[in-house]
Amino acid sequence: DADVTQTPRNRITKTGKRIMLECSQTKGHDRMYWYRQDPGLGLRLIYYSFDVKDINKGEISDGYSVSRQAQAKFSLSLESAIPNQTALYFCATSDPTGANEKLFFGSGTQLSVL
Amino acid sequence: DQQVKQNSPSLSVQEGRISILNCDYTNSMFDYFLWYKKYPAEGPTFLISISSIKDKNEDGRFTVFLNKSAKHLSLHIVPSQPGDSAVYFCAASVYSGAGSYQLTFGKGTKLSVIP
Repeated sequence: DADVTQTPRNRITKTGKRIMLECSQTKGHDRMYWYRQDPGLGLRLIYYSFDVKDINKGEISDGYSVSRQAQAKFSLSLESAIPNQTALYFCATSDPTGANEKLFFGSGTQLSVL
Repeated sequence: DQQVKQNSPSLSVQEGRISILNCDYTNSMFDYFLWYKKYPAEGPTFLISISSIKDKNEDGRFTVFLNKSAKHLSLHIVPSQPGDSAVYFCAASVYSGAGSYQLTFGKGTKLSVIP
């Protein structure tokens, strides 16, 4: 079983719909992240959480919200999806090991907003 | 302003030859540099890293070189194998306070190793 699991793997939705992407992990890490990958733009940080009571905005948080339901669960919501939110979304976890902190990614959720 | 730049979107190399992937950065405060590899339909995975106080780190076929004066790092893969075909992301880490580090990714370079 994967250490970081994202559901669904693929989702097609319409403009204006509310969408939730879910992430769960078995690595026991406190830190969890949501990234977005767009062609030619690399990985950009949406939100991150260092523990259950901690939520922080990343580089591109507008239009998104998150919920850290437990140490192992971190969900990303699009309250009213728009076409430019079509992208590949990754959840990641890490252990606080300093500057060399390594991220462990899920397999991604491909979201298409029509 | 893009702080981590990978100026080559793609690179093709013959199997057995050397692959050199380049990365430039602008922030002299970066503490660590990391390379991640991504296969299609999978998430990125950590490959190799280097501290800002080092100039070289080697792990098997993979070597990362850091030139701080030029704000440039490169990943060398020798010899290249078809299984190395993937997108490679350069990332840089900087202290952002409260014991945490912020990671900035480049746009990625797609490496194709031709058999």
